[in-house]
Amino acid sequence: EIVMTQSPATLSVSPGERATLSCRASQSVSTNLAWYQRKPGQAPRLLIYGASNRATGIPARFSGSGSGTEFTLTISSLQSEDFAVYYCQQYKNWPPLYTFGQGTKLEVK
Amino acid sequence: EVQLVASGGTLVQPGGSLRLSCAASGFNFGDYWMSWVRQAPGKGPEWVANMNQDGSERYYVDSVKGRFTISRDNAKNSLYLQMNSLRVDDAAVYYCARETHAYFDPWGQGTKVTVSS
Repeated sequence: EIVMTQSPATLSVSPGERATLSCRASQSVSTNLAWYQRKPGQAPRLLIYGASNRATGIPARFSGSGSGTEFTLTISSLQSEDFAVYYCQQYKNWPPLYTFGQGTKLEVK
Repeated sequence: EVQLVASGGTLVQPGGSLRLSCAASGFNFGDYWMSWVRQAPGKGPEWVANMNQDGSERYYVDSVKGRFTISRDNAKNSLYLQMNSLRVDDAAVYYCARETHAYFDPWGQGTKVTVSS
């Protein structure tokens, strides 16, 4: 099983500033990585797939980078609606054994 | 608009059974792999099971193999998860999700399963 580790667990950032979230895989997943945003009471929403491709309707302030075992989600200028929990997910395995990170909570500083 | 509406979650005793349903609309349901993903309080999501378009391929996370069965009815645009021999650690919010190249988009709103005596 590929273990996904996200850091930090909680990130405190002021609105308008940049946020950088990290995700590390226990073995290479190439670019088979997605990022999701989850707000309280809502289902997770796909932000990024293929490590760096924004999903439909996702604002340009969200960007993803990385390959292999190290990945980053960057939010360039935080808006109030961006404070949420973010998860990474790898989808390299076949047969499927998709795994998620434990999440990074992005909170208002 | 693509919509996934999960239902069937409730309180069940350890060892009991439950069947979750997911109603899909707004897309050609029969063209997609579909998954169930769960999330327990304070934990990250956990992929549970998936199924291909015609139901000929099904995969499960090890912890549910032999206890859970995923199925679908393309004529009814519906996905199901039969859960037997439920354990306390199966308690979670269960989401159905459409798979696109092995990532999930979108997710349904979730249905809560509580396993307790």
